Amino acid sequence: DSGVTQTPKHLITATGQRVTLRCSPRSGDLSVYWYQQSLDQGLQFLIQYYNGEERAKGNILERFSAQQFPDLHSELNLSSLELGDSALYFCASSVAEGGGQENTGELFFGEGSRLTVL
Amino acid sequence: QKEVEQDPGPLSVPEGAIVSLNCTYSNSAFQYFMWYRQYSRKGPELLMYTYSSGNKEDGRFTAQVDKSSKYISLFIRDSQPSDSATYLCAMIGYSGAGSYQLTFGKGTKLSVIP
Repeated sequence: DSGVTQTPKHLITATGQRVTLRCSPRSGDLSVYWYQQSLDQGLQFLIQYYNGEERAKGNILERFSAQQFPDLHSELNLSSLELGDSALYFCASSVAEGGGQENTGELFFGEGSRLTVL
Repeated sequence: QKEVEQDPGPLSVPEGAIVSLNCTYSNSAFQYFMWYRQYSRKGPELLMYTYSSGNKEDGRFTAQVDKSSKYISLFIRDSQPSDSATYLCAMIGYSGAGSYQLTFGKGTKLSVIP
C-alpha cells in the first residue's frame, strides 16, 4: 500500500460528459502529480501541484483541469470526454517540490482510476 | 525521436533466467535514472534509482547506467514468477526555470514462466 488513495477505481461514462477524479496523497507529501496511462502512449505526465500551487504542466489537454486543495487532496476534472480519453489515470505524491538533488525521483503512486468513455 | 525509448516487449523467460531490460535516451540533461515496477492493476513503484554512470546492485537486481552511450539497463538474476510485471525506466532532467522533469519509458512487460 503506497498510502496514496484514488477514487473512483472504475468509471464508465459517455462521450461529452464530465468526470472528476480524486486523489489523497501520502501523509506529509506536498506534491501531487497526475499521469495518464494508455497502451500506446505509456505513462504521460499531465500536471503537478505543490502545496496548492501548480508547479509543472505536461501534455494536459485544455478540456482537463486540476487543483489541489488546502488539505492537499487533489482533483482532476475531465470534460467534453472523447473516446480517446479512455485510459488509466494515476495520481502520485512525493515530499519534494520538484526534481534535482533533493528528489530521487521516488513518486508514490495510487492504484489508478480506470476511465472508460463509451 | 522520443526522449526515452524502451522496447515494450512482451518478454517471456523461464524461471531462473537472467533478464536484461534496457532504455535509451536522447536528452543529455537527464541526471537521475530510475526503474519502476508495475504489477497488473496496480500503480508503478520505485524499484531502483541511480545518479552516476556505473552499476548499482540491490539483491537480485542490478541497475546499470552508461551516460556516454545514453543507455540504461536493469538486470534481474534468478528471475522468479513474482517478477512478472511491467518495468518502466524513468529519468529526471533539468527542464529550465528551476523545474525538473520526470520522463517515463513506455515500459517492458515481463513474464517469468515457472
